[in-house]
Parts: sequence; structure tokens; C-alpha cells
Amino acid sequence: QKEVEQNSGPLSVPEGAIASLNCTYSDRGSQSFFWYRQYSGKSPELIMSIYSNGDKEDGRFTAQLNKASQYVSLLIRDSQPSDSATYLCAVNGEDSSYKLIFGSGTRLLVRP
Amino acid sequence: DTGVSQNPRHKITKRGQNVTFRCDPISEHNRLYWYRQTLGQGPEFLTYFQNEAQLEKSRLLSDRFSAERPKGSFSTLEIQRTEQGDSAMYLCASSFLGPGNYGYTFGSGTRLTVV
Repeated sequence: QKEVEQNSGPLSVPEGAIASLNCTYSDRGSQSFFWYRQYSGKSPELIMSIYSNGDKEDGRFTAQLNKASQYVSLLIRDSQPSDSATYLCAVNGEDSSYKLIFGSGTRLLVRP
Repeated sequence: DTGVSQNPRHKITKRGQNVTFRCDPISEHNRLYWYRQTLGQGPEFLTYFQNEAQLEKSRLLSDRFSAERPKGSFSTLEIQRTEQGDSAMYLCASSFLGPGNYGYTFGSGTRLTVV
């Protein structure tokens, strides 16, 4: 069974701090990696994608990928209370061009 | 284009009743996906359509579940003889290419409560 693992949290950080969210995956053949943000009662919203090892930055968000360690992370700089949400890591495997496997999500709480 | 549209937003039904949900994908997208999400879990894949062809059904989809996408446009997901364990958020997504290229965008979901 291909798995995506995340710490459920909650991860609590003060406003303005860097929030670091982590994800590991079991399918070594995985090619594409995504972070979704989900507010309570809402559907997931795609915020970052990453396909190659290293860092990818978009505004206050940085995604990091290490395929050798099967590890993906999301850094949120200058965290704001509006960033408080559940962050879902999703992976699509080498053998599936259409299916995303999601982790259970990490709940982030940014304290004012 | 307003994105992926799902109806209804909420559905409360009695155990044993049948329910049907509708998903209207982004118009130029030929791929459509259904996922289910329960509280505290990530979305779980249910089924996938490319145009009108249903190419995969998860083992999560029991015989009580059926999905269609006539003419490769909107899709419906029907649950027959609902059970309390069917209570969940049902999410639809669409894409033009596979999600490996750009991920995909979810609709707002249909929250089903079986009482």
C-alpha cells in the first residue's frame, strides 16, 4: 500500500514565525508532489507543486523535495493567522498518471 | 469559467435512502475524479473518468456506489441504500492533463450526512 505520512499536529507557531510542515512517502517511484491547504469545512486548495529535488519558492511558501530520503516539506515564512488551516501533502506515483495519494494532513495554528 | 461546480453542497439523508451528487468540471477538462474525505483524513480516491470512460474504480467503491459521466461532460455519483459510514465529504476534481503535470483543482464538495 502506497502511503503518505504527515504529523497530524497541531503545529502551533506565533505570528511572523516560520512554519515547517513535513511529509514522507513510501513509493520511491513518485514523480510529482503537491501541497494543498484546507480550511475547516472547505475543500482542499492547491498551493504548491514540486517535481525535482531542491527548493521551489512562491511568495511566502517554499516547497522542498528530497527524493533520496522520500521527504517533502513546506515552509511558510512570516506566518499569518489566516494561514491557520490543515495542510495536505499529496503524491502521484510513477505507475499512476491520474491518482493522487494524500496524507492525513497537518493542522497549523498561527497564534496572533 | 467558475471552476469545478458540485451540487448539492450539503445533503442529509436517512439510512437506506439513495442519493445522487453532481459535478460539473471546468469546461475544457477531459479528466474527472471523485474523492471521498472523512473527518481527520485526507481525500481518498474513488474513481476516474477520461472523457466518458470510467477507467478506474477504487475498492472503496462498493456495489452501492455508481458513477457516470455521460457525453464526457458533467458526472454523477450515486449511492444506493446509504449507510452511516457513507457520511463524508465527496469531492470532485478535473484536469486537462494528468495531475502529475499540474495537480488538479477540487470543487467545493458535497457534504453527506446519513442519519
